[in-house]
Amino acid sequence: AQTVTQSQPEMSVQEAETVTLSCTYDTSESDYYLFWYKQPPSRQMILVIRQEAYKQQNATENRFSVNFQKAAKSFSLKISDSQLGDAAMYFCAYRAGTYKYIFGTGTRLKVLA
Amino acid sequence: GAVVSQHPSWVICKSGTSVKIECRSLDFQATTMFWYRQFPKQSLMLMATSNEGSKATYEQGVEKDKFLINHASLTLSTLTVTSAHPEDSSFYICSALNGAGDPYEQYFGPGTRLTVT
Repeated sequence: AQTVTQSQPEMSVQEAETVTLSCTYDTSESDYYLFWYKQPPSRQMILVIRQEAYKQQNATENRFSVNFQKAAKSFSLKISDSQLGDAAMYFCAYRAGTYKYIFGTGTRLKVLA
Repeated sequence: GAVVSQHPSWVICKSGTSVKIECRSLDFQATTMFWYRQFPKQSLMLMATSNEGSKATYEQGVEKDKFLINHASLTLSTLTVTSAHPEDSSFYICSALNGAGDPYEQYFGPGTRLTVT
């Protein structure tokens, strides 16, 4: 069965600094998608970035980038130049061809001014 | 584009009553919708997957007779919590896949907070 693990319940970062959130997953599939979602206090889920497993190049979206290590089944999120608005819960998610999304337990990110 | 709404955003009901939550895709046709449940400070737990015109597929451990899901049109799915009890109090979130768009991107509604007294 597929699983997604986020081992950091909470992380803190100083404003303007860089932070990396970890995510590992387990699957026997070769074709799948990985996602990072942000859930601010409003609880509206927001897609931050996604990675297709068949792509070797790491995805990047402005200040957000991932380090995708397929063999190690690792998918970390790096946030550069952290801003106060980045404070939220971050969920790593996995999806294969069954259309079912599996979410990790989340990491609460605090940004210190 | 790709907006999903939920109604109501917050509902309080008495134990033993039923409550219906609506999930609408406002500017696209949603061939597949997902219903999640989220307890405080926890992750999203998938309850069921619904496809337009078909019966919903429930995840293991989710009571299909208690959580009735109807996906009667390409823009509307409803979740009815029947005979609600305090333990059903939670945050319910729906998401939708755009049938004509990216099949791997789900669009989330803003969620519904259910409190059963």
